[in-house]
Amino acid sequence: DQQVKQNSPSLSVQEGRISILNCDYTNSMFDYFLWYKKYPAEGPTFLISISSIKDKNEDGRFTVFLNKSAKHLSLHIVPSQPGDSAVYFCAASAGYGGSQGNLIFGKGTKLSVKP
Amino acid sequence: ETGVTQSPTHLIKTRGQQVTLRCSSQSGHNTVSWYQQALGQGPQFIFQYYREEENGRGNFPPRFSGLQFPNYSSELNVNALELDDSALYLCASSLQGADTQYFGPGTRLTVL
Repeated sequence: DQQVKQNSPSLSVQEGRISILNCDYTNSMFDYFLWYKKYPAEGPTFLISISSIKDKNEDGRFTVFLNKSAKHLSLHIVPSQPGDSAVYFCAASAGYGGSQGNLIFGKGTKLSVKP
Repeated sequence: ETGVTQSPTHLIKTRGQQVTLRCSSQSGHNTVSWYQQALGQGPQFIFQYYREEENGRGNFPPRFSGLQFPNYSSELNVNALELDDSALYLCASSLQGADTQYFGPGTRLTVL
């Protein structure tokens, strides 16, 4: 029973365009969400996070949107660059923020940004 | 500032053997979490250590055990290895109460 779902295993986008990666969750106790990026042979790198008290968080080219009623979040990358090509993981946490307790991860979406 | 480091990078073991994986936390971080990432899956939480005590555990059997040392480094021990234990093992460190866990590069374990 997957509590965090990333239903698109892969996404291909042209350089300069917007990349939108989606994530759905089922556990209404989740109150903190994170996005990680992972290159081959490296560990996941923290990208951006959002608390459930917000509906949007922005950091440079990266914006995360949270829709609590739909239990859905999305990561927007604008403009997309070839260096953004990686696997993106959505993760969620219940009750403890992002450092404590158990992070529940989705299966990841492989983003390919073509020049 | 030194990031999270893990050793070894790769490891090959046979079924039934025991393995110890090591992790050094990022400077200043007092909490260490371990995750297992099987091929094609997201990382799965094994357990977390804070102040040298287990501070939460995922759905893994007791043959997965850990330690945290006074310098906040950590070990993951797996006894009686099974073929399904083949995976990437990730260590993440954080500061208790902060918002983010930072991951190391992982140890790739292959069980034959």
